[in-house]
Amino acid sequence: KAGVTQTPRYLIKTRGQQVTLSCSPISGHRSVSWYQQTPGQGLQFLFEYFSETQRNKGNFPGRFSGRQFSNSRSEMNVSTLELGDSALYLCASSAELDNEQFFGPGTRLTVL
Amino acid sequence: AQKITQTQPGMFVQEKEAVTLDCTYDTSDPSYGLFWYKQPSSGEMIFLIYQGSYDQQNATEGRYSLNFQKARKSANLVISASQLGDSAMYFCAMREGRTGGSYIPTFGRGTSLIVHP
Repeated sequence: KAGVTQTPRYLIKTRGQQVTLSCSPISGHRSVSWYQQTPGQGLQFLFEYFSETQRNKGNFPGRFSGRQFSNSRSEMNVSTLELGDSALYLCASSAELDNEQFFGPGTRLTVL
Repeated sequence: AQKITQTQPGMFVQEKEAVTLDCTYDTSDPSYGLFWYKQPSSGEMIFLIYQGSYDQQNATEGRYSLNFQKARKSANLVISASQLGDSAMYFCAMREGRTGGSYIPTFGRGTSLIVHP
């Protein structure tokens, strides 16, 4: 089975721009979660989607949004980028909401 | 308060020796799950082992075992016979039980393990 894939792997943007990151879960998995990882804050939960519905949301501003499509693929969007948004963004999928999560390789976003 | 505490920012171990990575947690929920992940320099988080709060026995997965001491709220990861490829960041995480079956995981700050030849 193919693992979780994330695109793009690397991204450089400037302040004020917006960005969309994509995640394709493991085939058959219906839950997708997003995390932000920075040296200062560690790994922080952004949101979780299950069957196209957002089930949980972490403590992030409204500039961070996401969605999930009927094929379980998910996208997250960050609008009006700030320097502090530079991070590794990790996507994880699981078969059901409370199952073990499998992570993708991440998208490394740099905001200049 | 920190829900997951990993007190060892860095650990060094000789190849083929065993190493224990510490993790303590804080929750008032009787139902929770504890996870350990490995993150090599490539960035991908790799699931290692899971322990449920109601599991009677300590979890084991190959060279990995979880020393679960519920009363002390600790869930230490033991890696036996360390290999050079074990050099990575290791994260302890917890998912607390929630009505409705949805769990939001929290992660510790991680421990950097370096295995020396």
